[in-house]
Amino acid sequence: EVQLAESGGGLIQPGGSLSLSCAASGFTFSNYAMSWVRQAPGKGLEWVSTISGSGGTTYYADSVKGRFTISRDNSKNTMYLQMNSLTAVDTAIYYCAKDRNDVGSSSNYWGQGTLVTVSS
Amino acid sequence: DIQMTQSPSSLSASVGDRVTITCRASQGISNYLAWYQQKPGKVPKLLIYAASTLQSGVPSRFSGSGSGTDFALTISSLQPEDVATYYCQNYNSAGFKTFGPGTKVDIK
Repeated sequence: EVQLAESGGGLIQPGGSLSLSCAASGFTFSNYAMSWVRQAPGKGLEWVSTISGSGGTTYYADSVKGRFTISRDNSKNTMYLQMNSLTAVDTAIYYCAKDRNDVGSSSNYWGQGTLVTVSS
Repeated sequence: DIQMTQSPSSLSASVGDRVTITCRASQGISNYLAWYQQKPGKVPKLLIYAASTLQSGVPSRFSGSGSGTDFALTISSLQPEDVATYYCQNYNSAGFKTFGPGTKVDIK
């Protein structure tokens, strides 16, 4: 059974940094791209970032490019999202998702999400 | 950048009704289109990928169609458990993804 578990969310002041983790199990982690998707309170889904199965290629939404860094450790079956220079607009539930294939596919499994609140 | 729009933004229909949600891309995206269902307070769930391929385990009353710029998600007979917000998503080989704004479906 595929399982994805996010951690690392919390309350952070504007301008601060936070690191999220996504622990995966139930599939061959390195074979699949992984993505982060966020959802601001009461709003729609927003794609944030995707990393290829090998970790060698990364993609970012314009809204986070230069501030967020996606990475993965295939030996630990874990994906990360380092978030810097956070502002209130980054407040959201952050979901990690397993893509159906490597890069260029939809996401067929989702974690429960972790809430990031940026506020003073 | 590719923009995705959906219509309507919300709808209310009776149990058993046929419901269609449309999604339009700002440029041709072939069939790189997925549909997700998000029930209130729940995690998004993949319903359809490649515009018309039903994800395993999804009821057959859901179907997808379209190619290029215009796509549709149809629920052939609306059920109470289908109350949710539905999102289309473009994904592509360049690695980028874009969600539509969502369509909220209620029971009349």
